[in-house]
Amino acid sequence: EIVMTQSPATLSVSPGERATLSCRASQSVSSNLAWYQQKPGQAPRLLIYGASTRATGIPARFSGSGSGTEFTLTISSLQSEDFAVYYCQQYNNWPLWTFGQGTKVEIK
Amino acid sequence: QVQLVESGGGLVKPGGSLRLSCAASGFTFSDYYMSWIRQAPGKGLEWVSYISSSGSTIYYADSVKGRFTISRDNAKNSLYLQMNSLRAEDTAVYYCARAMRTTTVTTPFDYWGQGTLVTVSS
Repeated sequence: EIVMTQSPATLSVSPGERATLSCRASQSVSSNLAWYQQKPGQAPRLLIYGASTRATGIPARFSGSGSGTEFTLTISSLQSEDFAVYYCQQYNNWPLWTFGQGTKVEIK
Repeated sequence: QVQLVESGGGLVKPGGSLRLSCAASGFTFSDYYMSWIRQAPGKGLEWVSYISSSGSTIYYADSVKGRFTISRDNAKNSLYLQMNSLRAEDTAVYYCARAMRTTTVTTPFDYWGQGTLVTVSS
């Protein structure tokens, strides 16, 4: 099983600032990496797939990068609606799709 | 628009059974692989089970293998999860999710239902 490790666990950011979230895979997942956003009481929403491709309707302030084992999600200028928990997920090693433990982005 | 609506959750005693359903609409259900993914209270996401578009290929996480059964009825645009021998650690919100691509299992999940809560407690 590929273990996905996200850091930090919690990120305190002021509105308008940049947020950088990290995700590391225990072995290479190529570019088969997705990012999801989850708000309280809601289902996860796909933000990024293929490590860097924004899903339909996702604002350009969200960007993803990386390949292999190291990945980054950047939110260029945090809006109030962006405060949430973010999960990375590898889908390279199927059928054992695995998620990171999440990074909570909170208001500083 | 794509909609996935889960139902069937509730409170069940350890060792009991429950059947979850997921009603799909807004897309050609029979074209898509589907999965169940769960989230224990205050915890992260755990993939549970996968079924191919025709239902011929099925996978389970080790944690539920032998206890849970995934199935689908393409005529009814519905996905199911039969859960037997339930344990306290199965307590979670269960989401059905659609695989984004129709031709490969190397795909993320692009649409999720709102989830249904399963609580296993005596």
